[in-house]
Amino acid sequence: GNSVTQMEGPVTLSEEAFLTINCTYTATGYPSLFWYVQYPGEGLQLLLKATKADDKGSNKGFEATYRKETTSFHLEKGSVQVSDSAVYFCALRGGSQGNLIFGKGTKLSVKP
Amino acid sequence: DAGVTQSPTHLIKTRGQQVTLRCSPKSGHDTVSWYQQALGQGPQFIFQYYEEEERQRGNFPDRFSGHQYPNYSSELNVNALLLGDSALYLCASSLGGRSYNEQFFGPGTRLTVL
Repeated sequence: GNSVTQMEGPVTLSEEAFLTINCTYTATGYPSLFWYVQYPGEGLQLLLKATKADDKGSNKGFEATYRKETTSFHLEKGSVQVSDSAVYFCALRGGSQGNLIFGKGTKLSVKP
Repeated sequence: DAGVTQSPTHLIKTRGQQVTLRCSPKSGHDTVSWYQQALGQGPQFIFQYYEEEERQRGNFPDRFSGHQYPNYSSELNVNALLLGDSALYLCASSLGGRSYNEQFFGPGTRLTVL
């Protein structure tokens, strides 16, 4: 069945450091891929998405490229800020039903 | 523009009890999906309601049931609570009954089963 695997956390970085959070997926067909962010005490917010191979999603300085050949959708940001501290979830949507399937989440802490 | 709202924020129950969680979708949305997020895990899809009917269901037992009202608000009911039902329950709304439309999430209800 469809599944998402993302790197274990927590990840602790200093402000202005480069961020990569790895995400790989298993799916039949051509799923859409997403990154969601969850700030403390809040619900999930869509950060970015890509709907087909080689698409790059981007938002708020974050980027991720849909790589079909490596079944990956790694999240990157060139310079993180303290305000980026949150839990990040990689997700896919595919199959006959189309509901979201999430990874376990990666907690990011950015220190000043 | 009101986003997705959920009530209550927190809830404590004991094993064997029943619980009802409530969700009001984002203004203009007519579809509600429910997810369970256990501690340290990603959300898992429970079911989706559209036009007052359950349209899709994840791998959850019949103890989990729901309802959607004509105003599109929704309830999640869990019977015979188990310790393992302790989790954050998230509601997400979207438009048009199609899962590929963007889902907007509420802040969740934290359920603790003792």
